[in-house]
Amino acid sequence: GQQLNQSPQSMFIQEGEDVSMNCTSSSIFNTWLWYKQDPGEGPVLLIALYKAGELTSNGRLTAQFGITRKDSFLNISASIPSDVGIYFCAGQAYTGANSKLTFGKGITLSVRP
Amino acid sequence: DAGVIQSPRHEVTEMGQEVTLRCKPISGHNSLFWYRQTMMRGLELLIYFNNNVPIDDSGMPEDRFSAKMPNASFSTLKIQPSEPRDSAVYFCASSYGGDNEQFFGPGTRLTVL
Repeated sequence: GQQLNQSPQSMFIQEGEDVSMNCTSSSIFNTWLWYKQDPGEGPVLLIALYKAGELTSNGRLTAQFGITRKDSFLNISASIPSDVGIYFCAGQAYTGANSKLTFGKGITLSVRP
Repeated sequence: DAGVIQSPRHEVTEMGQEVTLRCKPISGHNSLFWYRQTMMRGLELLIYFNNNVPIDDSGMPEDRFSAKMPNASFSTLKIQPSEPRDSAVYFCASSYGGDNEQFFGPGTRLTVL
């Protein structure tokens, strides 16, 4: 089946630093989404990307839809303590009636004050 | 605006008991998704509905699991009989017009003793 690869599992950065996360796949996806999950809560949508090459920002977050449609990245600039959480990428590959989101395993981000 | 509502938030039960999880999607959304999240397997899609009709239940682990959506504003996920390996966080998500930009509820943490 389709899989999305996120690595490493955990990242540790210093407050104020920028961080970049990648998400890759062997399959083509037509939509990429990035979610953040805080402890004890459900994932919250951060950014949605719909076109290959698209670059979208949401505050300190920037995400890009890879030109090959097999990858995406998320950048967080000037990290702050509340950026701590699990970041998931998700992709949608239209396959007729069975289109659904595939999620990566997530990257746990820790920010040292 | 109310987001996706799930109840209960926590459920502790004994092996063999029936468990019913409830979800109210965002008003106006016509797609509803049930996910299960564990440390080992990450976020897994169990089943999803479009316009109250089950579209894909290939992720439902076994016959002990069943889901219904009797109307546009309510869905249930039932496990009967429950087993310890069913312990996980169960999320409901909804979207409009398919499965782009899914919005997640806060989840139900299920513990089966």
